[in-house]
Amino acid sequence: RKEVEQDPGPFNVPEGATVAFNCTYSNSASQSFFWYRQDCRKEPKLLMSVYSSGNEDGRFTAQLNRASQYISLLIRDSKLSDSATYLCVGGQAGTALIFGKGTTLSVSS
Amino acid sequence: EPEVTQTPSHQVTQMGQEVILRCVPISNHLYFYWYRQILGQKVEFLVSFYNNEISEKSEIFDDQFSVERPDGSNFTLKIRSTKLEDSAMYFCASNGQGSYEQYFGPGTRLTVT
Repeated sequence: RKEVEQDPGPFNVPEGATVAFNCTYSNSASQSFFWYRQDCRKEPKLLMSVYSSGNEDGRFTAQLNRASQYISLLIRDSKLSDSATYLCVGGQAGTALIFGKGTTLSVSS
Repeated sequence: EPEVTQTPSHQVTQMGQEVILRCVPISNHLYFYWYRQILGQKVEFLVSFYNNEISEKSEIFDDQFSVERPDGSNFTLKIRSTKLEDSAMYFCASNGQGSYEQYFGPGTRLTVT
């Protein structure tokens, strides 16, 4: 069975804080992993792909550990606009994406 | 920036009625998908479509569901006889050849009464 499990959340942090989300997956056949962001009642929006070598996009850093089947997302210097649900997602090219339930982040001033 | 579009944004229908949800994927994409999200739950895969045929479908995608690409741009999801439990957000997504990244449309909120 393919499953993606995430930290339950919610995470409530002040502006400027650093916050980390973790995720584990059970299907070793998944080749690709992503973090999507979802605002309330909106579509999932691709935040970043996750590579084994780790990748960084501005304040966001994602890491994949295939041996441990573990994915992480680090957000530095949190902004109010970062408040959303962050979805850990696994899949392969041209096939179904498997979504985690999501972790809710609330950034306050 | 190209994007996936969906219509309608909200559809209200009575139990037992047929509904068709419409999507226009990103123009040069080749893989198309439907997902659904029941309120408060995770996004669930329904079906994938490539080269004018279904390539994969989930247990949710039973005989009541069908998909079609009637022309070069539209991709539709039909629910033949809606049930109360079909009430959900339905998202269309697409990705290009050789790309793993799927892009989602804004969704259609289906309410079955």
